[in-house]
Amino acid sequence: AQSVAQPEDQVNVAEGNPLTVKCTYSVSGNPYLFWYVQYPNRGLQFLLKYITGDNLVKGSYGFEAEFNKSQTSFHLKKPSALVSDSALYFCAVSNAGKSTFGDGTTLTVKP
Amino acid sequence: DSGVTQTPKHLITATGQRVTLRCSPRSGDLSVYWYQQSLDQGLQFLIQYYNGEERAKGNILERFSAQQFPDLHSELNLSSLELGDSALYFCASSVAGVAGNIQYFGAGTRLSVL
Repeated sequence: AQSVAQPEDQVNVAEGNPLTVKCTYSVSGNPYLFWYVQYPNRGLQFLLKYITGDNLVKGSYGFEAEFNKSQTSFHLKKPSALVSDSALYFCAVSNAGKSTFGDGTTLTVKP
Repeated sequence: DSGVTQTPKHLITATGQRVTLRCSPRSGDLSVYWYQQSLDQGLQFLIQYYNGEERAKGNILERFSAQQFPDLHSELNLSSLELGDSALYFCASSVAGVAGNIQYFGAGTRLSVL
């Protein structure tokens, strides 16, 4: 069975500061890892994914994520947060046709 | 706009009733996924179809069923509805339905069971 953990329900940062949203996973075999973002009353939108290759993955809106195999982590990062980044962020792992999403982390960026 | 269309946007019904949620995938996408999002359960994968065939099954109740039609649109049928079925139901589509594919989500159908 595969699983995803997002240990923080809420992350608060000030605008301009770096942000990190944490994710750890458990899956058999090679992981396919994703980050999605959900704005209020909207569906999820793809941010970035890791399949293989470079451990640092760059995605949309200046976000990036670092894959760490030994720690089974895939943390989402951004060097300088914007107020418009405030949203609900989901980490997901995919394998054998099944996608498992974390419970989500609400990111609030304050001006 | 993701290109995935879900109808209706809102649905209000009573316990014991049956409803059908519809999803049209992005043009060219062969795979459709259904998810349930509720406050207490988070985002739960229900079922996946690929080119008309069921590909993967998640935490889908026996009262729920889905199908994908030859034109690739999909329907999720929910029957004998209970108060706890109130949730946001999302459809997503992807090109080929394999693990590395990006899923594109619709805006969801908000189901309220009274």
